[in-house]
Amino acid sequence: AQSVAQPEDQVNVAEGNPLTVKCTYSVSGNPYLFWYVQYPNRGLQFLLKYITGDNLVKGSYGFEAEFNKSQTSFHLKKPSALVSDSALYFCAVRGGYYNTDKLIFGTGTRLQVFP
Amino acid sequence: GAVVSQHPSRVICKSGTSVKIECRSLDFQATTMFWYRQFPKQSLMLMATSNEGSKATYEQGVEKDKFLINHASLTLSTLTVTSAHPEDSSFYICSAGTVSGANVLTFGAGSRLTVL
Repeated sequence: AQSVAQPEDQVNVAEGNPLTVKCTYSVSGNPYLFWYVQYPNRGLQFLLKYITGDNLVKGSYGFEAEFNKSQTSFHLKKPSALVSDSALYFCAVRGGYYNTDKLIFGTGTRLQVFP
Repeated sequence: GAVVSQHPSRVICKSGTSVKIECRSLDFQATTMFWYRQFPKQSLMLMATSNEGSKATYEQGVEKDKFLINHASLTLSTLTVTSAHPEDSSFYICSAGTVSGANVLTFGAGSRLTVL
């Protein structure tokens, strides 16, 4: 069974500073990893994914994530945070190649960017 | 792009009544739909996986008689919370996928259920 851990409930960062939201995963086969963002009372918006290829994945809104197989991590990063980035971020892992395979989410990390 | 519509976005009901939430894929055929429940303070829990034309597969600990899931067509899945109680109050989110490679799941905007 696959699982995801997001060790931080909340991350605070000043606007303009770099941000990192941590994620580690566990899966028996090849990992298919995703980051989603959720704004209040809304569904989830896709940010980026790692399926195969380069370990550094670039996504929407200037976000990127680095896949590290040895550390089983997939941390989300952004070089310069914006106040509008404040939201709830979810890391997710899928144990299979197809999007009809189960997608399991972490507990989420609330990002607060201060002006 | 792919769009998933979820309805209603908010519903308030009395304890003991049943509530139906619809999840529709508007511009694609969803062979698989997933239902998630989001508890206060963040966590997003997978409740069940439904494949068109077959019975839903429920995750451990989810009561199948309480949360009835139907996926009668390739564009519609429904979640019915039967005999709702205040502890069923939550944010329910659906997502839809197709067997077409490593495409990203599309999520609905969620339905907030409040049981009085």
